[in-house]
Amino acid sequence: AQSVTQLGSHVSVSEGALVLLRCNYSSSVPPYLFWYVQYPNQGLQLLLKYTSAATLVKGINGFEAEFKKSETSFHLTKPSAHMSDAAEYFCAVSDQVNRDDKIIFGKGTRLHILP
Amino acid sequence: EPEVTQTPSHQVTQMGQEVILRCVPISNHLYFYWYRQILGQKVEFLVSFYNNEISEKSEIFDDQFSVERPDGSNFTLKIRSTKLEDSAMYFCASNPVGVGGELFFGEGSRLTVL
Repeated sequence: AQSVTQLGSHVSVSEGALVLLRCNYSSSVPPYLFWYVQYPNQGLQLLLKYTSAATLVKGINGFEAEFKKSETSFHLTKPSAHMSDAAEYFCAVSDQVNRDDKIIFGKGTRLHILP
Repeated sequence: EPEVTQTPSHQVTQMGQEVILRCVPISNHLYFYWYRQILGQKVEFLVSFYNNEISEKSEIFDDQFSVERPDGSNFTLKIRSTKLEDSAMYFCASNPVGVGGELFFGEGSRLTVL
């Protein structure tokens, strides 16, 4: 089954610093990949998704992610962190080969922004 | 902007009671899902639903769980006899296109089983 691994359950960065949240996927065939954000007491909101059109994917709120097949990675970045970016971030995957529409989430990374 | 709506936002129930969580997916979407998130843990897939039947269900979705789309707009999750470990946030989601499509999530229903 498809899965993703998020490295670091908590990441702290200073306001204005680079944000890097790591995600690696498990399959040999590139799946569909997603990053979702969850603000406190809210549902999940899509930041961006990779569906094989372009390896560098731009999302909302200044986030982007690069699909790297050689590293089986889909890390999320933002050049300059803002206090409002403090949230839980989930990498997620769906199985393109088996035409699976459900998505499976990683364990999440809580991003803390230091003033 | 269309959104997925869920009710109730919070429900407290006694162990052994039946609970129904309701969702109104986005109107032109065809694929529906329930996920749950136990406090502080990952978001777990429960069940997917398409064309008025279950497409797939996880190991969590045992005989105590059922889903229904009774009237073409609501999508419900029923837990027949709740257990303490069913306490979680339950998220409904819908997807317009199926494979590769974005899942649009509701705000969640928090279930507390005492």
